[in-house]
Amino acid sequence: GNSVTQMEGPVTLSEEAFLTINCTYTATGYPSLFWYVQYPGEGLQLLLKATKADDKGSNKGFEATYRKETTSFHLEKGSVQVSDSAVYFCALITQGGSEKLVFGKGTKLTVNP
Amino acid sequence: DTAVSQTPKYLVTQMGNDKSIKCEQNLGHDTMYWYKQDSKKFLKIMFSYNNKELIINETVPNRFSPKSPDKAHLNLHINSLELGDSAVYFCASSQLGGARETQYFGPGTRLLVL
Repeated sequence: GNSVTQMEGPVTLSEEAFLTINCTYTATGYPSLFWYVQYPGEGLQLLLKATKADDKGSNKGFEATYRKETTSFHLEKGSVQVSDSAVYFCALITQGGSEKLVFGKGTKLTVNP
Repeated sequence: DTAVSQTPKYLVTQMGNDKSIKCEQNLGHDTMYWYKQDSKKFLKIMFSYNNKELIINETVPNRFSPKSPDKAHLNLHINSLELGDSAVYFCASSQLGGARETQYFGPGTRLLVL
């Protein structure tokens, strides 16, 4: 079946630190990959996405590259801010059939000043 | 203007009661979804409707019944509420009937069953 595994949290960093949140997937076919972010008390927002191998999604200083050979889509940011504190979800959608988002379990990030 | 809205935002109720959560989107999308987020933040799809037609129905108890009066609305009715139904319920929508398009989420409805 299709599944997403992301690193367990919580992750606590100081402002301006480098962030990596690992995400690997298992899927049939060629999925599209997403990172969603959930700020405290809010719904999910799309952060970035990639639809084919070697695509790089980027937004708000965050980046993730679709690596088919390692089935990974790791999220990175060079310098985090306090306002980046949130829960980050890696997700995939497979082609064909009843398409639906399959989410990882989420990684809570706290950035301290 | 809010793209995807849900009411109510908070819902506290007794076990055994019946309750409804409403969702509306003004994005012109033709596909809408309900997700459940448990206390550990794990998100799982419950239902998906495309143009008022049910297309995804995960293994959800039949106490949960979605209703889509038109493609801009997808309501969730829950009968005989149980303690385990306590969660945050998110509505979402997407364009073109395909989930590979970006999904837009509502702010969530926090349900607490006592």
